[in-house]
Amino acid sequence: DAGVTQSPTHLIKTRGQQVTLRCSPISGHKSVSWYQQVLGQGPQFIFQYYEKEERGRGNFPDRFSARQFPNYSSELNVNALLLGDSALYLCASSLWGGERTEAFFGQGTRLTVV
Amino acid sequence: AQSVAQPEDQVNVAEGNPLTVKCTYSVSGNPYLFWYVQYPNRGLQFLLKYITGDNLVKGSYGFEAEFNKSQTSFHLKKPSALVSDSALYFCAVRDDQGGKLIFGQGTELSVKP
Repeated sequence: DAGVTQSPTHLIKTRGQQVTLRCSPISGHKSVSWYQQVLGQGPQFIFQYYEKEERGRGNFPDRFSARQFPNYSSELNVNALLLGDSALYLCASSLWGGERTEAFFGQGTRLTVV
Repeated sequence: AQSVAQPEDQVNVAEGNPLTVKCTYSVSGNPYLFWYVQYPNRGLQFLLKYITGDNLVKGSYGFEAEFNKSQTSFHLKKPSALVSDSALYFCAVRDDQGGKLIFGQGTELSVKP
């Protein structure tokens, strides 16, 4: 069975540029969440989507946006990149967005901003 | 607000010995607790969860966790450590709105032969 897949795996961008990260959830999963993991820290929540609607947003600036498509895949967009946006971006999928369900993570996209 | 704390940045264990990775939590309602493992340059792998019921939860790869309500702890354990268990371990709690996972800072587990 395919797990959560993210693309690309690595990305190098210049300050001020824009980036789009993509995620395909496990088949049958309807909830997708995005997390940012800075080196040496635990993942920080960015967004959650369930059935194509935003269900939660973390403490990130408006430069960060996301959406979920009818096939439940998702994109995370970051505009006006800053050096501090360099991190591992993780996508997680779960059956639904409830508190009892575990989330399954992709391998992440390593974003480097230079 | 929900939170978790992992008091040890690093845990060192000899292969074959039991291991414990500590986690304490703070929640306003029912605790929904999770353990994940992360290998270098990889995403997080789900190990186990506590939702309700037995205080001893069994998970993947021989890991288990003990939920202790009075001590607000959820420690990860394994009876006999393997070198391949060396990785970064994260404890997490579900937000009380049911959405996001709130992670601890992580504990680096090193198992030496």
